Amino acid sequence: GNSVTQMEGPVTLSEEAFLTINCTYTATGYPSLFWYVQYPGEGLQLLLKATKADDKGSNKGFEATYRKETTSFHLEKGSVQVSDSAVYFCALSEETSGSRLTFGEGTQLTVNP
Amino acid sequence: DAGVIQSPRHEVTEMGQEVTLRCKPISGHNSLFWYRQTMMRGLELLIYFNNNVPIDDSGMPEDRFSAKMPNASFSTLKIQPSEPRDSAVYFCASSLAIRGTEAFFGQGTRLTVV
Repeated sequence: GNSVTQMEGPVTLSEEAFLTINCTYTATGYPSLFWYVQYPGEGLQLLLKATKADDKGSNKGFEATYRKETTSFHLEKGSVQVSDSAVYFCALSEETSGSRLTFGEGTQLTVNP
Repeated sequence: DAGVIQSPRHEVTEMGQEVTLRCKPISGHNSLFWYRQTMMRGLELLIYFNNNVPIDDSGMPEDRFSAKMPNASFSTLKIQPSEPRDSAVYFCASSLAIRGTEAFFGQGTRLTVV
């Protein structure tokens, strides 16, 4: 079956620090990969996505590259802000299941001023 | 579009009562998903529909849970009878059933069963 594994959290950083949140996946086919963000008290919002190998998704300074050879989709940001504090979810959807998502456990990020 | 709309935002009920959660998906989307989020279990897919038809309900925890989608613009998730362990945030999401498309989530319903 499909699965997504994220680095264990929570992660606490100082403002302007570099962020990496690791994500690896297991899938039987050729999945699409996503990062979602959840701010306190809100639903999940799409942060970025990639649909084929070597694609790089980017948004709001965040980036992630689809690495088929290592089955990974690590999230990075060069300089985090306090407003980036949230829970980040890595997810995949299988090519045969339309847009049904399998989520990782989520990583709580706290950025201190 | 106003996005996925869920109601109510918060629900507090007594154990044994029936609870109905409601969802209006984004117009034109043909897939609808119900998720449950708890600290212990994270995000769990309960059930999803394609073109109003339930495709996979293997995530529904017990027979106390049921979901319907009578038309393309409305879905309900019902718990009867409710139990304290059902306390969680329930999210509805909708999307186009096309590879690579993202799902759009509602704000969620926070359910507390006392």
